[in-house]
Amino acid sequence: GAVVSQHPSWVICKSGTSVKIECRSLDFQATTMFWYRQFPKQSLMLMATSNEGSKATYEQGVEKDKFLINHASLTLSTLTVTSAHPEDSSFYICSARWGVYYGYTFGSGTRLTVV
Amino acid sequence: AQTVTQSQPEMSVQEAETVTLSCTYDTSENNYYLFWYKQPPSRQMILVIRQEAYKQQNATENRFSVNFQKAAKSFSLKISDSQLGDTAMYFCASPNTGNQFYFGTGTSLTVIP
Repeated sequence: GAVVSQHPSWVICKSGTSVKIECRSLDFQATTMFWYRQFPKQSLMLMATSNEGSKATYEQGVEKDKFLINHASLTLSTLTVTSAHPEDSSFYICSARWGVYYGYTFGSGTRLTVV
Repeated sequence: AQTVTQSQPEMSVQEAETVTLSCTYDTSENNYYLFWYKQPPSRQMILVIRQEAYKQQNATENRFSVNFQKAAKSFSLKISDSQLGDTAMYFCASPNTGNQFYFGTGTSLTVIP
């Protein structure tokens, strides 16, 4: 149980285009999901907190107009990288909390390459 | 704000030996949780072990155990009988009351055959 499915696992897009990453909780409802970014050989950096039915909360320094987050249902959050540039190339990971006792689960990540 | 510090960027250990990974943290919370996650080359984040701050007993999961020193704000991970599959990045992490995780910089562990 408590599985988070993230798609796609990898994507290549051209500069200037947009790409959408999906994060689904398969067997539980997630009112809150989290989006992280990870550069090679570095740690995970929290980008934003996705709240079902309301606006996402972005960490300082994260451009909300570039990284659009939508959490329209209790099982789906999406991250759209708009007008992608090569510097947006990175590994993006979503996460959700399940259960009462601080159970967290992570998606398998999406490797984005902008060419 | 939560801060988590891992001071060992890289470590190695011989297979079957024991290794300890260090982590210190800072928090203003009274009750909190601490986690160790493993990230193998697949990059999937895997929960290794979890400690609840109000519990004085150190958490143990098979070959993995922690040394939790609340006053010192230290949370080290001990891996016993190291196996080749333990080779991975290890991240110490602590969530705040908003359930947002703050990760340490990670320790790259290599198990040598």
